[in-house]
Amino acid sequence: SQTIHQWPATLVQPVGSPLSLECTVEGTSNPNLYWYRQAAGRGLQLLFYSVGIGQISSEVPQNLSASRPQDRQFILSSKKLLLSDSGFYLCAWSSLSWEQFFGPGTRLTVL
Amino acid sequence: DAKTTQPPSMDCAEGRAANLPCNHSTISGNEYVYWYRQIHSQGPQYIIHGLKNNETNEMASLIITEDRKSSTLILPHATLRDTAVYYCIVRVVFTGANNLFFGTGTRLTVIP
Repeated sequence: SQTIHQWPATLVQPVGSPLSLECTVEGTSNPNLYWYRQAAGRGLQLLFYSVGIGQISSEVPQNLSASRPQDRQFILSSKKLLLSDSGFYLCAWSSLSWEQFFGPGTRLTVL
Repeated sequence: DAKTTQPPSMDCAEGRAANLPCNHSTISGNEYVYWYRQIHSQGPQYIIHGLKNNETNEMASLIITEDRKSSTLILPHATLRDTAVYYCIVRVVFTGANNLFFGTGTRLTVIP
């Protein structure tokens, strides 16, 4: 069966520090991968999606970036975090089915 | 993508049917209606989807009006575990990335 992992589960970082969040998927090949952010009390915002290794599409301009170094690995990064980067970050995958399967999320607090 | 409109919150008594409405008056002919839900501090969970026919699965039923401008998600016997934010999304399905754009959804509270 397929599983999706995200780490860390929670993270507290100072403003201006770098960020690296990792997402890995098991049990499937060539998945579409997604990064979402959910600010407190808000809906989910799609940040990036990827249909293959090295292929990244950005949905919103920001100081975040994403990379897909391996088929089942998706990384969200920032060189310098802003206060507004705080939120709940969710990774998801999909294949040819109708569903997106979401990971457990990372709660990021920027102080 | 077509915009969706949902009530911000609803209450439902435990054991009763929960009917969650969604308006998508600008939906186009090749856009599907998806429903997801998000329990607090967890990732969203797929519930059901449809194009124009009513659909039913083990979790819920989806009723789409004949003009497809609105739909209703029905949880036939709501339990306390159904308390969550429910998202209605309309989207064309591509063979590539299946992007979903979530709004703010409806916060359903099931009351004992």
